[in-house]
Amino acid sequence: GAVVSQHPSRVICKSGTSVKIECRSLDFQATTMFWYRQFPKQSLMLMATSNEGSKATYEQGVEKDKFLINHASLTLSTLTVTSAHPEDSSFYICSARDRGGWGDEQFFGPGTRLTVL
Amino acid sequence: QKEVEQNSGPLSVPEGAIASLNCTYSDRGSQSFFWYRQYSGKSPELIMFIYSNGDKEDGRFTAQLNKASQYVSLLIRDSQPSDSATYLCAVNKSSGTYKYIFGTGTRLKVLA
Repeated sequence: GAVVSQHPSRVICKSGTSVKIECRSLDFQATTMFWYRQFPKQSLMLMATSNEGSKATYEQGVEKDKFLINHASLTLSTLTVTSAHPEDSSFYICSARDRGGWGDEQFFGPGTRLTVL
Repeated sequence: QKEVEQNSGPLSVPEGAIASLNCTYSDRGSQSFFWYRQYSGKSPELIMFIYSNGDKEDGRFTAQLNKASQYVSLLIRDSQPSDSATYLCAVNKSSGTYKYIFGTGTRLKVLA
């Protein structure tokens, strides 16, 4: 149980284009999902908290107009990187908390590696 | 001072030995603590979580929490080469937000 999927796993795009990444909880409902970014040899940095049915909460320094988050259902959150640039190239990972779980554990998706040319 | 600190390593241990990984945190009000393992190029996978002071064992893994000293550790017994990875400590500062603060991770190398 507690499986989280992400799609796509890898994407290469040209500078200036937008990229959408999907995060799905497959066998549980997640009212809260999280989006992280990880640069090489660095730790995970939380970008935003995605709440089902409401606006996402962004961490300080993360541009909400550039990283659009939509959490339209209890099993799906999307992150859209708008007008991507080479500095946005990174490993994007989502996680989800089981709505029915009693603890605080987050279950991570496999990640999406974004390369912007 | 970083909110969650880990020694970046690498920590090298021989196969079969006990690997000891440490993590300290700055917010005394932190509620819950997690250890994740991350292989190169992959996303983190949950190993253990601990909420109360003391030890918690799961197979070859033991998590230890000392809230008074603000540290949490992970012991891996009978270390195997497949345990070689980066181990991330994550702290949930307060209940209700479910937000994690991650340490930078400790790279573990188990030598065959």
